[in-house]
Amino acid sequence: SQTIHQWPATLVQPVGSPLSLECTVEGTSNPNLYWYRQAAGRGLQLLFYSVGIGQISSEVPQNLSASRPQDRQFILSSKKLLLSDSGFYLCATGQPISYEQYFGPGTRLTVT
Amino acid sequence: AQSVTQLDSQVPVFEEAPVELRCNYSSSVSVYLFWYVQYPNQGLQLLLKYLSGSTLVKGINGFEAEFNKSQTSFHLRKPSVHISDTAEYFCAVTSRSGGYQKVTFGIGTKLQVIP
Repeated sequence: SQTIHQWPATLVQPVGSPLSLECTVEGTSNPNLYWYRQAAGRGLQLLFYSVGIGQISSEVPQNLSASRPQDRQFILSSKKLLLSDSGFYLCATGQPISYEQYFGPGTRLTVT
Repeated sequence: AQSVTQLDSQVPVFEEAPVELRCNYSSSVSVYLFWYVQYPNQGLQLLLKYLSGSTLVKGINGFEAEFNKSQTSFHLRKPSVHISDTAEYFCAVTSRSGGYQKVTFGIGTKLQVIP
């Protein structure tokens, strides 16, 4: 079975500061990777997905970016955080046969 | 395009009572259907899924769901809830687009089990 690690678990950052959230995956190779943001009362918003190293697609225009430097590493970044970036960020993989998603434990980001 | 509608944002129910969480979807292509559960401050876990075959699918923790193609619904049910079922439940649809799985989630339904 696969395991998804995310860190940090919680983060409090001031407006205008940079951001780097990391996601690593064990137990699978060449996964589809996803970044979601969950804000109160808004469900899961897909931010980015990746089908391979260096291949990133964005679903929503924003001040966030994503990178995939290695097969099982997915990074979410920002140069300058906004208050609206606060939320619970979830990394997930997509399974090619079963189509289900496995989720990491999430990072709680509070921008002050 | 695809979308998911969860009609109830919150559902209170007494312990040991039955519950149904509603989910409707729309899509121009064939989709696969899922229910996930999220406990506070945790990631999502798969409850059950429908890919093909029998339209009644059973999942973990005594939950089941029925796929109704004509009504484009995938409602989640449990005959008798427990306090530990208090969580948020998400319905999702997945379709394939090239090598990419396009996943769309509903906004979630918070199930509150009352002792």
